[in-house]
Amino acid sequence: GENVEQHPSTLSVQEGDSAVIKCTYSDSASNYFPWYKQELGKRPQLIIDIRSNVGEKKDQRIAVTLNKTAKHFSLHITETQPEDSAVYFCAASKGDAGGTSYGKLTFGQGTILTVHP
Amino acid sequence: EAQVTQNPRYLITVTGKKLTVTCSQNMNHEYMSWYRQDPGLGLRQIYYSMNVEVTDKGDVPEGYKVSRKEKRNFPLILESPSPNQTSLYFCASSLLSRAGGHNEQFFGPGTRLTVL
Repeated sequence: GENVEQHPSTLSVQEGDSAVIKCTYSDSASNYFPWYKQELGKRPQLIIDIRSNVGEKKDQRIAVTLNKTAKHFSLHITETQPEDSAVYFCAASKGDAGGTSYGKLTFGQGTILTVHP
Repeated sequence: EAQVTQNPRYLITVTGKKLTVTCSQNMNHEYMSWYRQDPGLGLRQIYYSMNVEVTDKGDVPEGYKVSRKEKRNFPLILESPSPNQTSLYFCASSLLSRAGGHNEQFFGPGTRLTVL
C-alpha cells in the first residue's frame, strides 16, 4: 500500500521567514495530494491541494509543488506569521475509480511548525 | 450550517465494554471515513465508505467495525475495546470528484477515547 513520509517532524522559524515541509510517497499511481493544518485542540482543515496534472499551485502565502518523477511534494509558506503555528499534514491518494484503494487517503506523520514573533 | 458532528466528544471506558462513536454529516457527501490520531503517527485511516452500504478497510481496521446504512451517518463500533485503542478519533466526509477521486475532507471535532 501507499507510504507517505513527511519531514521535518518539527520546524521552528522566525516571523517573516519561509517554511518548507517535504513529503515523499511510494505509489506512483497516487494523483491527489492535499495538505491539512491542525491548530492545537482543533480539527484538521484543508489549506491547499494539488492533483497530478499540475506541478505547482499557489494560494496567497501558501504554495505546493509536485515532482511526480521523484514522487515528492512540498508545502511552502512565505512571510510566516505566528498564526501559522500548527501541525501540518500531507496526504496522498489515488483517484482511479477502477482501483481497489480508491477510497484510501494516507497521511504523513505531521510537522509541528512554530513561528516565533 | 454545514458540518460533521461526532458524539461523544470524550469517553473513558474499560477494557471489553462495547462502545459506539457516532458520526453524522449534513452535506450530502458520498464519502465518509474514520481516522485515529496518535502522537508521532499522524492520522491513520481505520475504515472508509464510498456510499451507502459500501465500506472498506483503511490501514488500521483491526478491532473496529463500521456501518453505512444511511448516507449521513457512519458510526464507529468497538466491540471489545482494549487500551491500545486509546486515541483521538476523527470522522470526515467529502464529495467524490468524478475526475480525480478525492476532494477536500471535512473533519468532525474529534472524540478522545481512553480505554482503561
